[in-house]
Amino acid sequence: EAGVAQSPRYKIIEKRQSVAFWCNPISGHATLYWYQQILGQGPKLLIQFQNNGVVDDSQLPKDRFSAERLKGVDSTLKIQPAKLEDSAVYLCASSPHGVGGTDTQYFGPGTRLTVL
Amino acid sequence: EDQVTQSPEALRLQEGESSSLNCSYTVSGLRGLFWYRQDPGKGPEFLFTLYSAGEEKEKERLKATLTKKESFLHITAPKPEDSATYLCAVRGNDMRFGAGTRLTVKP
Repeated sequence: EAGVAQSPRYKIIEKRQSVAFWCNPISGHATLYWYQQILGQGPKLLIQFQNNGVVDDSQLPKDRFSAERLKGVDSTLKIQPAKLEDSAVYLCASSPHGVGGTDTQYFGPGTRLTVL
Repeated sequence: EDQVTQSPEALRLQEGESSSLNCSYTVSGLRGLFWYRQDPGKGPEFLFTLYSAGEEKEKERLKATLTKKESFLHITAPKPEDSATYLCAVRGNDMRFGAGTRLTVKP
C-alpha cells in the first residue's frame, strides 16, 4: 500500500513570496490533516478535512494560509505572503476513519520550507 | 486547554540499558493517546494507540502504558536502531502533540 505522498520535499523562498505544497493521501482515507512542525517542537495541527469539507481550521493563520481538498482526495496548502517565522516542516497525514472514529494518522515525509 | 508534556527532552542510553519515556497530559474527554516515532528528515511513524487507563500495548522492545494522567513508553534492552525522537499525542477536542523525547542509544 502506497503511503502519503508530498511534494516538493524542500523549498527555499524569500519573505513575502508565495509557496504551495501538495499532498496525496493513502487511497481511500477520508480524513486529511496538515501540520506545521517547527524545529525542536511537536507537530501543530493547521487544518483537518473530512472528505472535501473542513472539520477544524482553528489554528490556521487565515490571513496568509489557505488550503483546499478538491474532490476529497489530493490537497494543497498555500502560504501568501510568507514570513520568516513560517520556516518549518509541513506535514500531511491521512486517516481512514471519519470524525469521531478511531483515527490513527499516517504521515507523509513532509516539506521543509526555509524563508529567507 | 488540552496540554501534552513529554519528559525528558533528551535521553542517552547504552545499548541494553532499559528506560522509560513519560507523557503527561490534560485533556477534556480523552479519545485516544498516540505514540509515534520520528527519524530525522522523516514524518512521524505510528507505534501505538491507547484508549483507556490500564491499557497496555507492546511491539518488539517497546511497551506503552496509560493512566488517567500520563502514559509511559518503556524501552527494554534498546538497540542503536531505536535512536529517534518519540512523540506523544492526545486526541480530545483536537489533536495535540508533545515536543518529543530525543532518544540516543549508543553501542
